[in-house]
Order: sequence, then C-alpha cells, then structure tokens
Amino acid sequence: DGGITQSPKYLFRKEGQNVTLSCEQNLNHDAMYWYRQDPGQGLRLIYYSQIVNDFQKGDIAEGYSVSREKKESFPLTVTSAQKNPTAFYLCASSRTVNTGELFFGEGSRLTVL
Amino acid sequence: RKEVEQDPGPFNVPEGATVAFNCTYSNSASQSFFWYRQDCRKEPKLLMSVYSSGNEDGRFTAQLNRASQYISLLIRDSKLSDSATYLCVVNRGYSTLTFGKGTMLLVSP
Repeated sequence: DGGITQSPKYLFRKEGQNVTLSCEQNLNHDAMYWYRQDPGQGLRLIYYSQIVNDFQKGDIAEGYSVSREKKESFPLTVTSAQKNPTAFYLCASSRTVNTGELFFGEGSRLTVL
Repeated sequence: RKEVEQDPGPFNVPEGATVAFNCTYSNSASQSFFWYRQDCRKEPKLLMSVYSSGNEDGRFTAQLNRASQYISLLIRDSKLSDSATYLCVVNRGYSTLTFGKGTMLLVSP
C-alpha cells in the first residue's frame, strides 16, 4: 500500500540531545513537508522540499534541520538549539507544492525530559 | 488578524443534528481552500476541497464567500463517527498551505 511512514512513533530524549525523525513515502510525490503541532494549536510548517536536493524554511525553522537526498526520504533533525522541542511532528507529501491535497504520516510524538 | 481563524469549539451536538462551522481568512489573494479532518491524536486527512460555486459530498457541504473572506462546512445528519477536529486550510497560491487551529465537534448519542 502506498503511503507515508514516520518513525519512531514515540520518542523520549534528554534536553540537549539532537534527535532525528524519519519520514519515507512511496507515493512518488515530489513535495514533502514537516509540520509541528502543539496542543490547541494549528499545524505550523517547519521545512518543505519541492524536489530532491532542495528545501526551504517554513515558518518555524529555527532549531531544526532537514535533508532531501532521495525523493522518498525527508528526515528531520531536532537540534539542541530548539527551545521547546516537545511536540507532535507530522510529515506530509503531495504531488507538487502548490496543491491542497497533502498526505500525512501518522506522526511522531517527541518528549524532551 | 490571524491568517486563518476558526472557532475552537467544542460544538456538542446530538446524533442526527445539522452543524455548521465557519472559517475566516485574512489574505484576499488566497486561491484555494480545503477542509481537513483530524481525529484525536491522529494525522489530518483531506475531507473536501471548497469550490467557488460551493460543493457537496454526501452529508457534507462546503461553501466559499470571497467577498467576506470566509468558508463554511455544513454537516447534515451528524453521526457519532463525525466527532473530530475540522481544520480550515488556505492556499495562498504561491507557496504552502496555512492551517487553522481547528474546530472540535463532539457528536453524542
């Protein structure tokens, strides 16, 4: 079945540690995204990528980094510079950037202790 | 004014009721509009696009009012399974989507 796979689903880390969240899609989509969702908040865009080897900052990129070495993969690293990293992280993909239909993974819940 | 605003709710309705949500957007250049549904602690999923002429999908009707810059979602004959958070989403046309914070719907027996 085609879809987006995020891992891990739950992750606990100590303050000051970098963490990498995995996102893989087999939908052959060009565009991929990372969003963050906090309780009672809307989704906020962290980074997005329109094509392999290219990515742009979203609204809240500080403290995060990404790479897009393969079309299928768009990992997100939450660095120690991110002041409030505890959140629900959602990866998504779409055929192109300028489309309203995003397909989301099941999300990764990061808790920093 | 926030880019996309929604009443957070919750809207508590009995099964079979009709319920409507509104969403306002601030950027008059916004080009396309969508409703997503998000179940508790799950990922959002596209419910329907919103077309200028209004559109219907079964029990769901979406409408767009460009002059007043709002979109609406009407759910008829509510089911227990409709309980979720409904996200209003706007595409400014040159970039990525902007999500509202969502409106929570609770349908009770």
